[in-house]
Amino acid sequence: DQQVKQNSPSLSVQEGRISILNCDYTNSMFDYFLWYKKYPAEGPTFLISISSIKDKNEDGRFTVFLNKSAKHLSLHIVPSQPGDSAVYFCAASLIQNNDMRFGAGTRLTVKP
Amino acid sequence: KAGVTQTPRYLIKTRGQQVTLSCSPISGHRSVSWYQQTPGQGLQFLFEYFSETQRNKGNFPGRFSGRQFSNSRSEMNVSTLELGDSALYLCASSLVAASNTEAFFGQGTRLTVV
Repeated sequence: DQQVKQNSPSLSVQEGRISILNCDYTNSMFDYFLWYKKYPAEGPTFLISISSIKDKNEDGRFTVFLNKSAKHLSLHIVPSQPGDSAVYFCAASLIQNNDMRFGAGTRLTVKP
Repeated sequence: KAGVTQTPRYLIKTRGQQVTLSCSPISGHRSVSWYQQTPGQGLQFLFEYFSETQRNKGNFPGRFSGRQFSNSRSEMNVSTLELGDSALYLCASSLVAASNTEAFFGQGTRLTVV
């Protein structure tokens, strides 16, 4: 039961341009969403999060947008840098517990 | 401050065997969650422990079990291993169970079942 879906397994963008990673979820009860970045041979690291009471959260080059009616969130990276090349996972959870559900991940490649 | 430590990093087992993986959370963190990562499936939630009690459980068969000790260290056990159990197993620690701030992940244990 894939409650969180990342339909694009990979994305390639040019350095300096915008990267947009998308994520859809099916459970309308989810009220907290997170993005993690994972480099090879390392565990995922937290990138940015958003609660369901907001529709946008920004942290430097990273912005997460949440569209609750569409059950969709996206991560924007502007400008993209080669060091951003990694696998990005979106996750969703209920505030009451620690049961995060992850998407399958999107591999981002930023070309110099 | 030491990060999340998982041991061993790599493991090769034979079908039918059992395996135990270990996770030491960040000092002071009481919640430990386990995830299985396979290509195409992403990170799938196995279970979460808080104060030595299993709080949440994902949709995995009973061959997958875990426990947490009083020092918050956690172990995950898989019995009667199958080829499909080959995966990267990640544990994540959080300060408190009811928190949904960032979780800190270990580097994972790469399990290969042959």
